[in-house]
Amino acid sequence: GENVEQHPSTLSVQEGDSAVIKCTYSDSASNYFPWYKQELGKRPQLIIDIRSNVGEKKDQRIAVTLNKTAKHFSLHITETQPEDSAVYFCAASGGFQKLVFGTGTRLLVSP
Amino acid sequence: KAGVTQTPRYLIKTRGQQVTLSCSPISGHRSVSWYQQTPGQGLQFLFEYFSETQRNKGNFPGRFSGRQFSNSRSEMNVSTLELGDSALYLCASSFESSAYNEQFFGPGTRLTVL
Repeated sequence: GENVEQHPSTLSVQEGDSAVIKCTYSDSASNYFPWYKQELGKRPQLIIDIRSNVGEKKDQRIAVTLNKTAKHFSLHITETQPEDSAVYFCAASGGFQKLVFGTGTRLLVSP
Repeated sequence: KAGVTQTPRYLIKTRGQQVTLSCSPISGHRSVSWYQQTPGQGLQFLFEYFSETQRNKGNFPGRFSGRQFSNSRSEMNVSTLELGDSALYLCASSFESSAYNEQFFGPGTRLTVL
């Protein structure tokens, strides 16, 4: 079955710096890759997603890149702010609504 | 539009008991998925229901079961509870069952097994 690895497990940056989180997946049939942000005590919320027929997608300070050949995808956050502090999960899906999640990255943005 | 709701929010049970959790999806959403979140295993897929049919199932024992009603509300049941079942159980709804549909998560039910 699908397996998703996520690195790093924790990431500390200064406000205004960029943050990059990387994920690799194992199933070449996966075709949808969402990223979720989960603040402490709250539910996961989708922040950006990418389909397998697209190499890059941007939404303001957030971007995701996908390399299907290498089976990895990355989340890029620019100009980080303290409110970006949260746990970020990558996920992969090959069909229906079954999401296989990475283990999460705890991002801490210090003022 | 109201978001996904889950009841109860907190639950304490003892080993061997059974428990039923409920999830009400966003109005108009027909797919409901369930996930287990633990510090050690992260977010793991349990199963997905669409139009009252189970479409997909994760690698959990048969003690974990679910169902969906005609109004798309879903329940999951865990029988013969074990200490390791302590977790946050999240449900997520989406409009359709295809992979590209955004899943909206509920607040979760925190289950503690003593």
